Amino acid sequence: QKEVEQNSGPLSVPEGAIASLNCTYSDRGSQSFFWYRQYSGKSPELIMSIYSNGDKEDGRFTAQLNKASQYVSLLIRDSQPSDSATYLCAVIPGNKLVFGAGTILRVKS
Amino acid sequence: GAGVSQTPSNKVTEKGKYVELRCDPISGHTALYWYRQSLGQGPEFLIYFQGTGAADDSGLPNDRFFAVRPEGSVSTLKIQRTERGDSAVYLCASSLGGGGAFFGQGTRLTVV
Repeated sequence: QKEVEQNSGPLSVPEGAIASLNCTYSDRGSQSFFWYRQYSGKSPELIMSIYSNGDKEDGRFTAQLNKASQYVSLLIRDSQPSDSATYLCAVIPGNKLVFGAGTILRVKS
Repeated sequence: GAGVSQTPSNKVTEKGKYVELRCDPISGHTALYWYRQSLGQGPEFLIYFQGTGAADDSGLPNDRFFAVRPEGSVSTLKIQRTERGDSAVYLCASSLGGGGAFFGQGTRLTVV
């Protein structure tokens, strides 16, 4: 079982819609959770951190954490073509930062 | 510096040669990570330093790979007897520990 699992996509949404990206993790003791955005040919960029159950909002982005279900999600409201990228979920199970394979998001104008 | 700096940005080497990849983390960041990323894959964990010591090196694929961080700042990833399968982008990231990590621009290694 992989430590962090994501649907590879691609997830296609029309401009202005809500994009919903999901991630599950295997280590129930994980305490820190992150979402990164990676444009083609570039390095991952940290966009959201979440540490406790519930929602955390930052502009058009909302991260949701459910530790009982071992599930993390990222919602992007009013999706823009510039949001088209690979979104990586990352978790700290213990002491190292582990990434999922990423979900490709395509926002169509 | 302002961000994580990795050198070189590109490295082409012949099969069997030795290479060193350098990472200069954000000033004051105690945690440093090395990852390897192939096309279409997520970053693959290699090694994690907390200060000068390797807290977790479980991701190093074999004994040809070694990393050091002698003064708790700059780190060097060393690859001996390179193979074509080592070709990838090698990413370094740093953090204050427990928080999100910030990445350098990566080193693209090509073994020919």
